[in-house]
Amino acid sequence: AQSVTQPDIHITVSEGASLELRCNYSYGATPYLFWYVQSPGQGLQLLLKYFSGDTLVQGIKGFEAEFKRSQSSFNLRKPSVHWSDAAEYFCAVVLVGGSNYKLTFGKGTLLTVNP
Amino acid sequence: NAGVTQTPKFQVLKTGQSMTLQCAQDMNHEYMSWYRQDPGMGLRLIHYSVGAGITDQGEVPNGYNVSRSTTEDFPLRLLSAAPSQTSVYFCASSYSSTPEKLFFGSGTQLSVL
Repeated sequence: AQSVTQPDIHITVSEGASLELRCNYSYGATPYLFWYVQSPGQGLQLLLKYFSGDTLVQGIKGFEAEFKRSQSSFNLRKPSVHWSDAAEYFCAVVLVGGSNYKLTFGKGTLLTVNP
Repeated sequence: NAGVTQTPKFQVLKTGQSMTLQCAQDMNHEYMSWYRQDPGMGLRLIHYSVGAGITDQGEVPNGYNVSRSTTEDFPLRLLSAAPSQTSVYFCASSYSSTPEKLFFGSGTQLSVL
């Protein structure tokens, strides 16, 4: 069955430290990949997406993600975390040629940033 | 440009009551959808619409009803609220149903007692 896994439910980092949030998928082919961020009390906001081409994708707020086909992963990274990055992060996946209503979200990773 | 607007932000219902969650977008988006978010479950699709007059079920449609009479509005109706419907509800829209950026509302927190 198709699935999206975010192995880390909760991550805590210190402000200024680097960050990597993991996302793995299980699909029969390479899908389209997204990362969304949800600040407290807010809806989700798109950080970045991968459709094809360069496997290193740049997004908003200084985030980037790398697609690794061999590992079925699309990990989100940031070199230096700011306190305002504290939020919940969701990886989302849909098959190439699919539709938004086939989009599958991971269960999310909650990021806490210590001062 | 308001984006996706959801009302109300908070609602408390008693079991068996009905209510409508409102969702409106001003971006002329064809695709609109409703999700529910439960702790540890991520977002699950309830219903979606690919245009005015067209709706379909998502992953968890039971107990919910939708209609799409205009491009702008996509209300979600709870016919007879149950405690299992306690959740945070998000409306989302995009230009089309092809995979692309979804714009989300700020959510409705619903408690059913």
